[in-house]
Amino acid sequence: GAGVSQTPSNKVTEKGKYVELRCDPISGHTALYWYRQSLGQGPEFLIYFQGTGAADDSGLPNDRFFAVRPEGSVSTLKIQRTERGDSAVYLCASSLSLSASEQFFGPGTRLTVL
Amino acid sequence: GQQVMQIPQYQHVQEGEDFTTYCNSSTTLSNIQWYKQRPGGHPVFLIQLVKSGEVKKQKRLTFQFGEAKKNSSLHITATQTTDVGTYFCAGDTGGFKTIFGAGTRLFVKA
Repeated sequence: GAGVSQTPSNKVTEKGKYVELRCDPISGHTALYWYRQSLGQGPEFLIYFQGTGAADDSGLPNDRFFAVRPEGSVSTLKIQRTERGDSAVYLCASSLSLSASEQFFGPGTRLTVL
Repeated sequence: GQQVMQIPQYQHVQEGEDFTTYCNSSTTLSNIQWYKQRPGGHPVFLIQLVKSGEVKKQKRLTFQFGEAKKNSSLHITATQTTDVGTYFCAGDTGGFKTIFGAGTRLFVKA
């Protein structure tokens, strides 16, 4: 079946602009995670959802970052007033539930802020 | 906050040699997971360990979880070129917030 998909695959924006990154999890997966990965580093936790609610958003770096999952499926990560330091690959993952061990990752969105 | 450290940062081996990467957490973990990320790819789940002292094997890969549940290792026997990639450990302290190590990048020379 289809895996986790993320759009766009690449996004180039200018400093100060607003961006939205989309994640389509595997059908039936109730848990959804967002990570940020910089070159040479491991994925950095941002937020996870169980269903529609953000169960833990403690990894969001500041209030410019916000994520939603209104219907418990697709999620959107929103970044306001982008900064050059926001440049990274944003990874989305889903799992059957929060207690399920295996997270299935999408291909990521490479965000470049000029 | 919780930190997960991995060593070495990278390792070059000749095909057929063994490889080990080590993971240490600053806090006791409820579980540890291992992922592999090929160059240009995304992390792919390998295994999860839950019990203190647990050892699991997958073909040439052996995973261990320490008695104190604060460290783990991944050992690959007789590496092959298909083993190339970055190996990440990841753990949580029971709240489902998964913390990844920085990874060990494995280079295998044929």
